[in-house]
This record gives sequence, structure tokens and C-alpha cells, in this order.
Amino acid sequence: QKEVEQNSGPLSVPEGAIASLNCTYSDRGSQSFFWYRQYSGKSPELIMFIYSNGDKEDGRFTAQLNKASQYVSLLIRDSQPSDSATYLCAVGDTGRRALTFGSGTRLQVQP
Amino acid sequence: NAGVTQTPKFQVLKTGQSMTLQCAQDMNHNSMYWYRQDPGMGLRLIYYSASEGTTDKGEVPNGYNVSRLNKREFSLRLESAAPSQTSVYFCASSGGLAGGTGELFFGEGSRLTVL
Repeated sequence: QKEVEQNSGPLSVPEGAIASLNCTYSDRGSQSFFWYRQYSGKSPELIMFIYSNGDKEDGRFTAQLNKASQYVSLLIRDSQPSDSATYLCAVGDTGRRALTFGSGTRLQVQP
Repeated sequence: NAGVTQTPKFQVLKTGQSMTLQCAQDMNHNSMYWYRQDPGMGLRLIYYSASEGTTDKGEVPNGYNVSRLNKREFSLRLESAAPSQTSVYFCASSGGLAGGTGELFFGEGSRLTVL
């Protein structure tokens, strides 16, 4: 069983809507959680990270973490066509010394 | 500031040939990583180096070797390429242990095809 699970999508939302991307993880010892955005043919780039339960907001992006449910999500408000990309969830812990990535969710924002 | 630089960006090999992917970072990071990305599989860790002089296996190390030449450089070698190694390879670096709080910075990727 893969350690980090994401729905592959595509998730299609209209411009201006809220896009909700979800991720579950299996290791209860996980301590750090990251969201990366990857445009087609490009390398991943960090959008947000979160370490504590609750919400963390940065501009149009909000990361949500629920360690009891082993669930992390990314909300994108006022979605723009430029947000169309694959979003990768990554999970880490100090014992492993490296991030484990999900397979990514492809987001399509329709103009 | 170049960040993480990978070479070559594209390579075509025949089965059984060998090659080395080069990676260098100029951010004075301790940790460096090699990932491969296949359609529908996300990024899978091949090897990593938590600090100069150390290397450790990741999730999919078979068929690969690595060398942490110095703090800046971390190379990935395919001794006898196989079609299953056709993939996009990403090198990444981190100022801290990426399993803790360290953000990963990625190179542009190397697209390898093995015929």
C-alpha cells in the first residue's frame, strides 16, 4: 500500500471557484507536510508546508492538516487558469530523512 | 543564482549502456537526493545523501549507484541501462534533513530513454 495517497484527477473547476485537493498518509509518525506544484514538463516547486494541526494560509492558498485522521488538504481560492498543474503532496519525518511523495492530482481550471 | 543544475537534460541509451547523471547545487546545502518520476507514479526516491561522505538507499535503488563527490555534487550512475529505467530523473537538495523541516529544491530534470 502506497504511503501517500492522492486522487489522480483530473479535478476540473471553473475560474474563480475554490479547488480542494486532498491527500492521506499511512505513517502516524509523519511530522512535516508539503504541497508542490508541477507544471507539465517542469520540475516541482514548493507552494506550502505545514507541521501543526489546523489551517495555514498564504495568499490564495490554505493548507489544512488533521493528524488524527492522517489527512492533509490544499485549498486554492479564486482559482485561475494559471493554477492548472499537477499538485504533489509530500510527507516527511526525521527518521526517514527524505520526503515521500504522492502520485499527484492534476488540476484543470476552466476559463 | 543557478540553484540545482542537472546534466544532461536529455539522453537516449541502448540497453546495456552505462551513463552518469550529474547534479550540482550552489546553495551550500547538506542534503542531496535523486528521484525518478514515471507517469502515474509520482516521485520515487532512488538514493539520498544526508551529508558529504554519506549515501543511503531510497525506495528504488536497484540498478543505480551514486557518488557524493563533495558538498556541491551528487552523481547518479546507471551501470547497465534497462528499458525499465526510462524515466525523468530529478536531483534535489535541502538545507536541512528533508524529512524534518527542509524544503526540497529541484533541478530541471533529466529525461532518459532506454531503447
